[in-house]
Amino acid sequence: EVQLVESGGGLVQPGRSLKLSCAASGFTFSDYNMAWVRQAPKKGLEWVATISYDGSSTYYRDSVKGRFTISRDNAKSTLYLQMDSLRSEDTATYYCARHAAAIGDWFAYWGQGTLVTVSS
Amino acid sequence: DIQMTQSPASLSASLGETVTIECLASEDIYSNLAWYQQKPGKSPQLLIYYANSLNDGVPSRFSGSGSGTQYSLKINSLQSEDVSIYFCQQNYDSPWTFGGGTKLELK
Repeated sequence: EVQLVESGGGLVQPGRSLKLSCAASGFTFSDYNMAWVRQAPKKGLEWVATISYDGSSTYYRDSVKGRFTISRDNAKSTLYLQMDSLRSEDTATYYCARHAAAIGDWFAYWGQGTLVTVSS
Repeated sequence: DIQMTQSPASLSASLGETVTIECLASEDIYSNLAWYQQKPGKSPQLLIYYANSLNDGVPSRFSGSGSGTQYSLKINSLQSEDVSIYFCQQNYDSPWTFGGGTKLELK
């Protein structure tokens, strides 16, 4: 059974940093492209970033480019999202998601999410 | 960016009824369209991909159709467990974008 378990969320002040983790199990992590998708409270879904199966390629939405860094450790089957210079508009539940196969494929599996609140 | 417009934003229907949710893309996405179901307090789950392919384990009362810029999700014989928010998503071009969601409630 595919499982994605996020951690690392919490309350953080504007301008500070936070690092999210996503522990994957139930599939060969190193075979799949992975992503972070966020959902602001009572709002819709927004793709944040994607990383290729081997970590060689990364993709970001414009609003987080230069502030967020997606990475992975295939030996630990873990996905990360380093979030720097956080803003109030980054407040959201962050979901770890597995692309079906290729970069740009739909999101076949999702974690339960971790809430990030950016506030002073 | 490709804009995805869903309608209606909310929908109330009776058990056993058939409901349809629409999704309009701002440009041709060549059937690169997925639908997700998000039950209250839960994470989204994939229902349909490539506009009309049913994900494993999804009940056959769900179906998807459409092409070009216009797509739809149909739920036949509505069940109580279908109360959810439904989102469409284009995976044709980055940034991959979602519709605003359709909240489905029981009448």
